[in-house]
Amino acid sequence: GDSVTQMEGPVTLSEEAFLTINCTYTATGYPSLFWYVQYPGEGLQLLLKATKADDKGSNKGFEATYRKETTSFHLEKGSVQVSDSAVYFCALSDRSYGGATNKLIFGTGTLLAVQP
Amino acid sequence: NAGVTQTPKFRILKIGQSMTLQCTQDMNHNYMYWYRQDPGMGLKLIYYSVGAGITDKGEVPNGYNVSRSTTEDFPLRLELAAPSQTSVYFCASIFGGPEDYEQYFGPGTRLTVT
Repeated sequence: GDSVTQMEGPVTLSEEAFLTINCTYTATGYPSLFWYVQYPGEGLQLLLKATKADDKGSNKGFEATYRKETTSFHLEKGSVQVSDSAVYFCALSDRSYGGATNKLIFGTGTLLAVQP
Repeated sequence: NAGVTQTPKFRILKIGQSMTLQCTQDMNHNYMYWYRQDPGMGLKLIYYSVGAGITDKGEVPNGYNVSRSTTEDFPLRLELAAPSQTSVYFCASIFGGPEDYEQYFGPGTRLTVT
């Protein structure tokens, strides 16, 4: 079945450092890809998305590009802030398939801690 | 709009007890979902619904039941609670239109079974 693999955490960075969180996927078709963020004590929020190959999703300085050839959707940010400390989840959905149920399949999450 | 609301926020159950986790959304969303989040394991789909009166199993449905009698409500029932059901439970919803991709999540219910 479909699956998502993302890099283990925690990732600890100093403020203004460059961030990369790796995410790869396995899917039978051409899924939509997402990054969700979970701040402490809260539910998940959509950070960015890409719905087809070569699409770049971006939001709040974060970016990720849908790479079909490497089945990847790595999250990047050029300069992290303390307020970016959270758990980041890569996910895919069958949103692009016929008869979609919009179900999400998540990676295990990566905890990011940014130190001042 | 309140979005997706869940009650209770926290609950401690004894083994063998039962309870219902409540989920309500006020966005007129067609699709609703229940996920559980275990440490280091990401979120797993328990049950989902594509509309009132229609439900289906997700990846980890054993020990749970759901119903969807209205568009707004999607309660999750735990019968005969077991320690393996200790987790954080999230409800989510999405309208499901052609350009609609974002699932909206509730704040979660933290359940401990002892």
